Amino acid sequence: QKEVEQDPGPLSVPEGAIVSLNCTYSNSAFQYFMWYRQYSRKGPELLMYTYSSGNKEDGRFTAQVDKSSKYISLFIRDSQPSDSATYLCAMNGGTASKLTFGTGTRLQVTL
Amino acid sequence: DAMVIQNPRYQVTQFGKPVTLSCSQTLNHNVMYWYQQKSSQAPKLLFHYYDKDFNNEADTPDNFQSRRPNTSFCFLDIRSPGLGDAAMYLCATSPTSGRATDTQYFGPGTRLTVL
Repeated sequence: QKEVEQDPGPLSVPEGAIVSLNCTYSNSAFQYFMWYRQYSRKGPELLMYTYSSGNKEDGRFTAQVDKSSKYISLFIRDSQPSDSATYLCAMNGGTASKLTFGTGTRLQVTL
Repeated sequence: DAMVIQNPRYQVTQFGKPVTLSCSQTLNHNVMYWYQQKSSQAPKLLFHYYDKDFNNEADTPDNFQSRRPNTSFCFLDIRSPGLGDAAMYLCATSPTSGRATDTQYFGPGTRLTVL
């Protein structure tokens, strides 16, 4: 079993929809959770970073962490075609700085 | 703008021909990382430097080597590339001590093709 599981998609939604992206993990040592956005043929770009259970909001993006269920989510409100990308969850804890990534979910927002 | 720069963006090499990928950063971060990312897969950490202290992942093949001559630059050397080494190679940096709370900043990547 992988330490981090993420549905690869692709996920296709119409413009303006609310998008929900999710990851589950098995390692209780993970304490810090990140979402990266990766456009095609580009490097990952940090979107959200959180370290506690609950919600964190930044504009149209909300990151949610449920440590008791080992489940994290990223919600995108009012999705735009420019949101079309692969979204990678990542997490670490215990071993300093080493990130464990999910495989990424490919999102397509259509007009 | 402070950033992580990778050169070249695209590299084509022949089977078995050594290749070097370059990363530079203007963020003055202590820690630099090299990841390998194959199509539709998660980035896989190859190794990282905390300052000049080199940390190799246990499953990184010996075919992959790295050099960090100064704070700003880091190189990935692939001594004898095989077809299975074709991938995107990502360089990342993070500040301070490399603690779990430090976030990582990625470069645009170098896409390596092996013929």
